[in-house]
Amino acid sequence: GAGVSQSPSNKVTEKGKDVELRCDPISGHTALYWYRQSLGQGLEFLIYFQGNSAPDKSGLPSDRFSAERTGGSVSTLTIQRTQQEDSAVYLCASSREGNSYNEQFFGPGTRLTVL
Amino acid sequence: QQQVKQSPQSLIVQKGGISIINCAYENTAFDYFPWYQQFPGKGPALLIAIRPDVSEKKEGRFTISFNKSAKQFSLHIMDSQPGDSATYFCAASGMRGGATNKLIFGTGTLLAVQP
Repeated sequence: GAGVSQSPSNKVTEKGKDVELRCDPISGHTALYWYRQSLGQGLEFLIYFQGNSAPDKSGLPSDRFSAERTGGSVSTLTIQRTQQEDSAVYLCASSREGNSYNEQFFGPGTRLTVL
Repeated sequence: QQQVKQSPQSLIVQKGGISIINCAYENTAFDYFPWYQQFPGKGPALLIAIRPDVSEKKEGRFTISFNKSAKQFSLHIMDSQPGDSATYFCAASGMRGGATNKLIFGTGTLLAVQP
């Protein structure tokens, strides 16, 4: 079956522009996570969605970052007024549910470069 | 500060040898410890995971050793193969008190297995 897909695979933008990154989780997975992978910070948690519960936004680095998940499926991570330090690979993961230790399946990521 | 410390940063092993990667954590609320394998251009993939109620878990050539009192866990790759060359991440999470299964990652180990 299809795994987690993300688009675009690469995104180059200018400082100050807004970007939207998309994640399509595995069908039937109710939990969805966003992580960021950068050279300086490693892999870090950003935000988590579980069904209709309020998302866990504790990892978002600033108010320029936001995410939504429509209809319990597709998720969009938005970065407003991008900065050079936002350059990283943004990874999405999904699991069957978030309230137990189910395997998180990762997508291939979106490589964001802010010039 | 929730942190997971991982070492070494890089590792070179001869084919057929044993690769050992170590991790240490501080937060005693962690109770799930997965290891992820990542190839270039791909998202991380779950390799093996352990809960603290056991001291060792083995799956094929991969073994996790867990020392609860020392708050340390390690990955052993027996009979290492060139195809094992990848970046390995340890991680931890804790769901007590209603926390989400967000993963806290180590900084990664780049493993190169020489033929």
